[in-house]
Amino acid sequence: EAQVTQNPRYLITVTGKKLTVTCSQNMNHEYMSWYRQDPGLGLRQIYYSMNVEVTDKGDVPEGYKVSRKEKRNFPLILESPSPNQTSLYFCASSSFGGRIYGYTFGSGTRLTVV
Amino acid sequence: KQEVTQIPAALSVPEGENLVLNCSFTDSAIYNLQWFRQDPGKGLTSLLLIQSSQREQTSGRLNASLDKSSGRSTLYIAASQPGDSATYLCGLQGGSEKLVFGKGTKLTVNP
Repeated sequence: EAQVTQNPRYLITVTGKKLTVTCSQNMNHEYMSWYRQDPGLGLRQIYYSMNVEVTDKGDVPEGYKVSRKEKRNFPLILESPSPNQTSLYFCASSSFGGRIYGYTFGSGTRLTVV
Repeated sequence: KQEVTQIPAALSVPEGENLVLNCSFTDSAIYNLQWFRQDPGKGLTSLLLIQSSQREQTSGRLNASLDKSSGRSTLYIAASQPGDSATYLCGLQGGSEKLVFGKGTKLTVNP
């Protein structure tokens, strides 16, 4: 089944403790992206990657890092999480930048930073 | 900068009613528009994708239209069911590779 898989689904952590949220897709998509969703603010893009070793900032990149060493994986790294990073996170992927077939989203990771 | 607005923010209807959800956008230079469904605390499920050259797409009881000249898209749901209760999001892809989303319409279909 074609899908985007995120892990973990739920995560509670403490301020300052580094964490990684994994994202993997099995559709051989070139393009991958991370979004966060917050009440009243909607979905906002954090980082995106056009292909292996090619990443760029989205609208809200502060406090996050990403890497794209393999085509299928695009982990989101929070080096020193803070409470304002408590949010629902989504990974998405697409071929041709989504222009033809649109985007496929993962099931989300709910992160709470205390 | 593309801005996407979805009205209404919430909608409650009785089962069986036909309904329309609205999405408006400020920049007509788009590649495509995608309608998603999101259940509480869950991921986004793609419902329909409309390319910029298309006027509408249909899937079952769903029909989405796109009018770039007026900056509007509608999602029509026929014969609504309680299982249609969810938040519906529209996302637009313009010159960049990212989707710009509206804040969604929360639909409740009452039995």
